[in-house]
Amino acid sequence: TQLLEQSPQFLSIQEGENLTVYCNSSSVFSSLQWYRQEPGEGPVLLVTVVTGGEVKKLKRLTFQFGDARKDSSLHITAAQPGDTGLYLCAGAKENDMRFGAGTRLTVKP
Amino acid sequence: DAGVIQSPRHEVTEMGQEVTLRCKPISGHDYLFWYRQTMMRGLELLIYFNNNVPIDDSGMPEDRFSAKMPNASFSTLKIQPSEPRDSAVYFCAVGGLADTQYFGPGTRLTVL
Repeated sequence: TQLLEQSPQFLSIQEGENLTVYCNSSSVFSSLQWYRQEPGEGPVLLVTVVTGGEVKKLKRLTFQFGDARKDSSLHITAAQPGDTGLYLCAGAKENDMRFGAGTRLTVKP
Repeated sequence: DAGVIQSPRHEVTEMGQEVTLRCKPISGHDYLFWYRQTMMRGLELLIYFNNNVPIDDSGMPEDRFSAKMPNASFSTLKIQPSEPRDSAVYFCAVGGLADTQYFGPGTRLTVL
């Protein structure tokens, strides 16, 4: 059983569409990170959210941390083929950080 | 800074053989992590070091796996003997325990 559940597991959309992926847990985290992993590479940090209810924007990507700091969402506006990759969330608490299994996004031109 | 360097990038071996994966970390980070990634199980933490000392190896699947960090510039993950179910991508990462982690490009291991 994953500490962090990510959904959907797979998502295939057309260029220009909007999408939201989710990261859920029953645990409270001190912070939550989102990483993107492209084929043949390691994960790369996109953003860290720390405060419950926090919203951060990175160009067309909007990240939200749940009020109770148990969940998070990533919304992509007008997706592009360059957004294709595996999106991983990682929850940190005390001296531990664990990754979800990821959402594999494919954006077709 | 070239980032975390892992070698080899690809390894194909036969069941029963010893496999050694290598990592050259970025300087300036106290923690070094070894992860394994598969489609079925996602990204799993195997072991991490703090200032070259192994702290938590509870993620190491069994005694066939061992990891060392003889100095701040080098770490190895060894599997002996290897089995087909060890096939995965193995990542080395540095950074904080509950903070940003910087990953290497990974080693794709295939055990036949």
